[in-house]
Amino acid sequence: GAVVSQHPSRVICKSGTSVKIECRSLDFQATTMFWYRQFPKQSLMLMATSNEGSKATYEQGVEKDKFLINHASLTLSTLTVTSAHPEDSSFYICSAPAADSGANVLTFGAGSRLTVL
Amino acid sequence: AQSVTQPDIHITVSEGASLELRCNYSYGATPYLFWYVQSPGQGLQLLLKYFSGDTLVQGIKGFEAEFKRSQSSFNLRKPSVHWSDAAEYFCAVGLRNFGNEKLTFGTGTRLTIIP
Repeated sequence: GAVVSQHPSRVICKSGTSVKIECRSLDFQATTMFWYRQFPKQSLMLMATSNEGSKATYEQGVEKDKFLINHASLTLSTLTVTSAHPEDSSFYICSAPAADSGANVLTFGAGSRLTVL
Repeated sequence: AQSVTQPDIHITVSEGASLELRCNYSYGATPYLFWYVQSPGQGLQLLLKYFSGDTLVQGIKGFEAEFKRSQSSFNLRKPSVHWSDAAEYFCAVGLRNFGNEKLTFGTGTRLTIIP
């Protein structure tokens, strides 16, 4: 079946630095990918929709200059957390609709846990 | 806007006992409905989905869910739980718009299994 790969799975960084998280669709193309954020013991909140070849669409309240999204190819979307602060520490999960999973079915990556010191 | 409510934050059941996790949604029409499971530190795995047709849907790992339009509910059930079912369970709704696959998730229900 469709697989979405995220890298890194865990990252620790110092406050003020930037961190890039990659999301790759394996064996299928994804013109759209979704980035979610999950705080400890809470639900997933949609941050933005990543669109291949065009600008990402951000949900209300999400700072686009803080969370830079680039969808440069049909298999890769990246999320860059710029000038990270401790409050950005979270679990970030990407997902993509995979054709062989059926319409409107998302395949999720394993997530990337960001810890900002 | 659509919303999803999972009223039970944490449920504990004995291994071998039956399970029902509740999910209610709010939406102007019938949305697409999903149940996902998340093991600690992991991404989400799709258990089952409802798009249309038979309101009782079967999923993986012995799970099933029933869509009840009159109650705006999509409860997840399993007749006999196994210790490996301990995880976080999320109900989600998706819009019936072509090409729009983004989901709205409930707050999740954490399932603990006791021997």
